[in-house]
Amino acid sequence: AQSVTQPDIHITVSEGASLELRCNYSYGATPYLFWYVQSPGQGLQLLLKYFSGDTLVQGIKGFEAEFKRSQSSFNLRKPSVHWSDAAEYFCAVGVGTYKYIFGTGTRLKVLA
Amino acid sequence: DSGVTQTPKHLITATGQRVTLRCSPRSGDLSVYWYQQSLDQGLQFLIQYYNGEERAKGNILERFSAQQFPDLHSELNLSSLELGDSALYFCASSVGDRVNSPLHFGNGTRLTVT
Repeated sequence: AQSVTQPDIHITVSEGASLELRCNYSYGATPYLFWYVQSPGQGLQLLLKYFSGDTLVQGIKGFEAEFKRSQSSFNLRKPSVHWSDAAEYFCAVGVGTYKYIFGTGTRLKVLA
Repeated sequence: DSGVTQTPKHLITATGQRVTLRCSPRSGDLSVYWYQQSLDQGLQFLIQYYNGEERAKGNILERFSAQQFPDLHSELNLSSLELGDSALYFCASSVGDRVNSPLHFGNGTRLTVT
């Protein structure tokens, strides 16, 4: 079955620390991969996407993600977290022709 | 600002009532998607339209219906509302109708059914 798993419901990091949010997917082929961020009261904003090519992709706000086919993972990273990064992060995969599957989200808290 | 406009921002109504949520996609986008976000179910895909035609259907209840008009705006109609329909409803748009087109989300309509 096609699915997206974000194992961490909540993550707390200190400002300036590095961040890695995990995402694993289950799909028979290479999917289209996305990371979105949702701030309180806002819609989801696209951070970055992977379609093909270089497995390390750069996004907005200093985020990057690495696609690892062998691990069916697409983890999101940031070298130094800012207080404004506190939000909920969603991993999503595009499978088949029309279908997007979203993970359940990881809520990030940043300590000053 | 994603360019996707949803109205109203908040809606409070009673059980059994009917409401209409409206979405205007980004300029140039032909696809509109509707999602329901609740604490216990996460982000659930409801339905997709592309250039006025239904493209894909997700977990949309029979009490819910949607359409996309010639000017590409879309409406989601929710009827015979139940308490469990309380949620955040998002509209998203994309240029194409395939999964290689990233979605751009509106800020949502928060529906509260009392």
